[in-house]
Amino acid sequence: GAVVSQHPSWVICKSGTSVKIECRSLDFQATTMFWYRQFPKQSLMLMATSNEGSKATYEQGVEKDKFLINHASLTLSTLTVTSAHPEDSSFYICSARDVPGGVFEAFFGQGTRLTVV
Amino acid sequence: GESVGLHLPTLSVQEGDNSIINCAYSNSASDYFIWYKQESGKGPQFIIDIRSNMDKRQGQRVTVLLNKTVKHLSLQIAATQPGDSAVYFCAEDSGGSNYKLTFGKGTLLTVNP
Repeated sequence: GAVVSQHPSWVICKSGTSVKIECRSLDFQATTMFWYRQFPKQSLMLMATSNEGSKATYEQGVEKDKFLINHASLTLSTLTVTSAHPEDSSFYICSARDVPGGVFEAFFGQGTRLTVV
Repeated sequence: GESVGLHLPTLSVQEGDNSIINCAYSNSASDYFIWYKQESGKGPQFIIDIRSNMDKRQGQRVTVLLNKTVKHLSLQIAATQPGDSAVYFCAEDSGGSNYKLTFGKGTLLTVNP
């Protein structure tokens, strides 16, 4: 199956700093990428949907100024957590689909464990 | 399974038994469904998918059943192995132009040797 690579796999940062997480589709063009947040023992919560070259669509309750998403190319999307606080500590996961191109299933990255201290 | 507070529904089986994991989906307009397996600390991994024009699809050791009348999806795992221990999520695609998937609450499968 297709491969989606997410980096870093874990990061520890100080409160008030910003952290960038990268998501790359390695062998297909990801026309649509998704960013999820997951708390322990819970399901994936969709934060935003991004299409290459356009602004991300954020889910209700997700602060767009805090979680900056950039999808500058068909293979790369980034999530920047700005002015991180301990409550932002979570597992962040990206996924990619190319439904117009026939890639119906969503492929997931390996996730990023963010700890804000 | 039903969620109780923040705790995932759990299913515990003996190695070699068959497992059935259930999922109730929300949108009658959904036309594509996927089952994912998530191991601790990792991203979800695709298991099997099914379109709404089908009611059954089989893979290697796995079968997905779709009942559109009651909006129910199930995943059957034959001869369950310890390596199958994980959280299993169903996901539905309601066919919107943004192609997003909606995930169910998940079920924790534990396989006892």
